[in-house]
Amino acid sequence: GNSVTQMEGPVTLSEEAFLTINCTYTATGYPSLFWYVQYPGEGLQLLLKATKADDKGSNKGFEATYRKETTSFHLEKGSVQVSDSAVYFCALYSGAGSYQLTFGKGTKLSVIP
Amino acid sequence: EAGVAQSPRYKIIEKRQSVAFWCNPISGHATLYWYQQILGQGPKLLIQFQNNGVVDDSQLPKDRFSAERLKGVDSTLKIQPAKLEDSAVYLCASSFTGTSNTEAFFGQGTRLTVV
Repeated sequence: GNSVTQMEGPVTLSEEAFLTINCTYTATGYPSLFWYVQYPGEGLQLLLKATKADDKGSNKGFEATYRKETTSFHLEKGSVQVSDSAVYFCALYSGAGSYQLTFGKGTKLSVIP
Repeated sequence: EAGVAQSPRYKIIEKRQSVAFWCNPISGHATLYWYQQILGQGPKLLIQFQNNGVVDDSQLPKDRFSAERLKGVDSTLKIQPAKLEDSAVYLCASSFTGTSNTEAFFGQGTRLTVV
């Protein structure tokens, strides 16, 4: 079946540090890949997505590239801010018919001034 | 555009009691999902509807959980009887279609505590 593995948290960084959150996946066919973010007290919201190999999704300074050869979709940001503190979920959308959205366990990021 | 609405936001019940959650998806969205998010874990799909038909309920504990989506709009998720391990946040999401290229929009969730 489909699965998503992302790096364990929590991750604590100083403001302006470089961020990488690793994500690898197992899926049949050609999944679409997503990063969702959950800010404190809020619901899940889409951060970025990529629908085919070598696509790069980007939003709010975050980027992730769909790497089919390594089945990875790592999230990066060059300079994090305190406002980026949240839980980040890697997810994939696959499965003929039901297109089930499968999530990783989430990585909590805390950015300190 | 109004988002996905869920109620209640919080619920505390005793084990063996029953509970129901309500979800109103974004207008025009044919696909509706219910997810269970246990503390420290990612959301797990319980059931997926396309209009008012069930597309996937393979991970729904059918001995105690039930869900319906009447008229292809609002949906309710029920647990009867509840167990301690059902304590979680229950998320409703909707999308325009159920295909891989459409974004799923999430509600704020209902936090259930079973004591």
